[in-house]
Amino acid sequence: DIQMTQSPSSLSASVGDRVTITCRASQSIGSYLNWYQQTPGKAPKLLIYAASSLHSGVPSRFSGSGSGTDFTLTISSLQPEDFATYHCQQGYSAPRSFGQGTRLEMK
Amino acid sequence: QVQLQESGPGLVKPSETLSLTCTVSGASINSYSWSWIRQRPGKGLEWVGYIYYSRDTDYNPSLKSRATISVDTSKNQFSLKLSSVTAADTAVYYCARDHSGWAEDAFDVWGQGTLVAVSS
Repeated sequence: DIQMTQSPSSLSASVGDRVTITCRASQSIGSYLNWYQQTPGKAPKLLIYAASSLHSGVPSRFSGSGSGTDFTLTISSLQPEDFATYHCQQGYSAPRSFGQGTRLEMK
Repeated sequence: QVQLQESGPGLVKPSETLSLTCTVSGASINSYSWSWIRQRPGKGLEWVGYIYYSRDTDYNPSLKSRATISVDTSKNQFSLKLSSVTAADTAVYYCARDHSGWAEDAFDVWGQGTLVAVSS
């Protein structure tokens, strides 16, 4: 099975900051990497698919990059609604697996 | 607009079978694949399994053959049964549309989730 590791596990930042979250796969997954945003008590929402493609309706301040084993999610200028937990997920091989999540908190 | 809604008991006794249903609106259940994903308290997300265009199924091996996913096309619903549950199966269970194999290969629509506790 492919293991997904996110770093950091938690992160404090302020509105307007530029934030980067990293996801590493235990083996190469090409570009089969998705990012989700989850607020407390809510279901995850798809942000980015195929490592760098923005899902419909997602603000352009979100971007993704990477391929192979190393990926990043960047929020260019944090907005109040962006404080949430972010999950990466690989779709390269079964069973599909998620990272442990990165909690983004307000400083 | 596609919407998913989970339903089922919020409490299941150890060794019994957990049964959940996901009702799909805004899309035909035969036109997509559908997954169950769970999130144990304070933990990350875990893919449970999926049903592929109302035909084939695949499950996470970590569940050791306890999971079964089926479809009721007449009701536009799909269901999860998880047998021989233990406290480790306590989680929020989500149903999701699964675009595996599409250009947007991801879980793009999610239900709100339902908490299932395993306790006597």
